[in-house]
Amino acid sequence: AQKITQTQPGMFVQEKEAVTLDCTYDTSDQSYGLFWYKQPSSGEMIFLIYQGSYDEQNATEGRYSLNFQKARKSANLVISASQLGDSAMYFCAMREGNGGYNKLIFGAGTRLAVHP
Amino acid sequence: GAVVSQHPSRVICKSGTSVKIECRSLDFQATTMFWYRQFPKQSLMLMATSNEGSKATYEQGVEKDKFLINHASLTLSTLTVTSAHPEDSSFYICSARQGAVGNEQFFGPGTRLTVL
Repeated sequence: AQKITQTQPGMFVQEKEAVTLDCTYDTSDQSYGLFWYKQPSSGEMIFLIYQGSYDEQNATEGRYSLNFQKARKSANLVISASQLGDSAMYFCAMREGNGGYNKLIFGAGTRLAVHP
Repeated sequence: GAVVSQHPSRVICKSGTSVKIECRSLDFQATTMFWYRQFPKQSLMLMATSNEGSKATYEQGVEKDKFLINHASLTLSTLTVTSAHPEDSSFYICSARQGAVGNEQFFGPGTRLTVL
């Protein structure tokens, strides 16, 4: 079974509008972490936001917020006030457990295009 | 944030030759480094987890004799693609964790390998 599912291969949004990128996950661990990364065409992976499974508050980082719904096992990324520079691939990832050696498992990604 | 570098950023080689890719953590000690492979328009697939001073742990389906990983120091891990073939052409990305705890995994800029 897929550990991380991103059902939107591509999304379009108008500049200055908000957009939600979906991510659902599957784990039996009680302790896990959820991440979102941005990958522009240059290929670098840019860390955006992190949510721990025990965090009660939704994570926020500037224009990025993570809509964490634990019971539904979803961790959607919300980008507010979209900018042209937000056009990129976005990957949701999960790390199970607490250890530093635990690997990140990535979803298939969503390509976001921001239109002027 | 912490910086991870990769060298070279781009390499073209002939079929049958071996290629070495370096991954360095520039301003922190990385107990664990991870090597990923990314085909065009696809997600990152973990190849192996590399712990300093010990043998790498390879993911299922990854040939350890073909993809040699060495993590000789806390700031350097190398991936050698031995006897490269055109199907090994891909984008290779490393990442590093700062110690055994902490949430963020810092990614290198990636190496694009083209085997002719």
